Amino acid sequence: AQSVAQPEDQVNVAEGNPLTVKCTYSVSGNPYLFWYVQYPNRGLQFLLKYITGDNLVKGSYGFEAEFNKSQTSFHLKKPSALVSDSALYFCALYFWAAGNKLTFGGGTRVLVKP
Amino acid sequence: NAGVTQTPKFRVLKTGQSMTLLCAQDMNHEYMYWYRQDPGMGLRLIHYSVGEGTTAKGEVPDGYNVSRLKKQNFLLGLESAAPSQTSVYFCASSGAGGGPFRETQYFGPGTRLLVL
Repeated sequence: AQSVAQPEDQVNVAEGNPLTVKCTYSVSGNPYLFWYVQYPNRGLQFLLKYITGDNLVKGSYGFEAEFNKSQTSFHLKKPSALVSDSALYFCALYFWAAGNKLTFGGGTRVLVKP
Repeated sequence: NAGVTQTPKFRVLKTGQSMTLLCAQDMNHEYMYWYRQDPGMGLRLIHYSVGEGTTAKGEVPDGYNVSRLKKQNFLLGLESAAPSQTSVYFCASSGAGGGPFRETQYFGPGTRLLVL
């Protein structure tokens, strides 16, 4: 069965410092991987996705993520965090052999302090 | 261009009552989805639709029914609400592209449902 893990419930970072949100997955093959962000009382917004090709994916708002097949990880990164990046971040996975579904991680809350 | 809209925004039900949540999208998307979000569990798929007149079950379909009579609308019904259905419900849509779940999903703002 496919699964997505976000090992940190919360990440605290000072404004201007690098931000990393971790995601690992478990499938036997090549998945589609997504990052979404949820601001308070809002729906999820797409940040970026990996399908194939370059392992470094650039997305919205200065975010990027690196696909690492050997470590089965897809960590989200931002070189310099902003207070406005404070939100709930979700990693999600689609794998063709597992059927029609998008599996979400439990979410990581990011708090960027001024 | 409103994107994906949901009504109502908030609702309180008593156990056993019924209600319908409405989702509308103006992006001409083929695929539409209903999710529920519970603390620490991410989003879980309730039902989805790959086109007008078609629906399919997701991971947690029990207690819910859906209909997609028009391409732009996707309705989620609770026939007899239970406290376990207290949750935040999100509708999403995506374009045809490579197929359902493979493309970027666009989410509505959510409906907060409390079942007493």
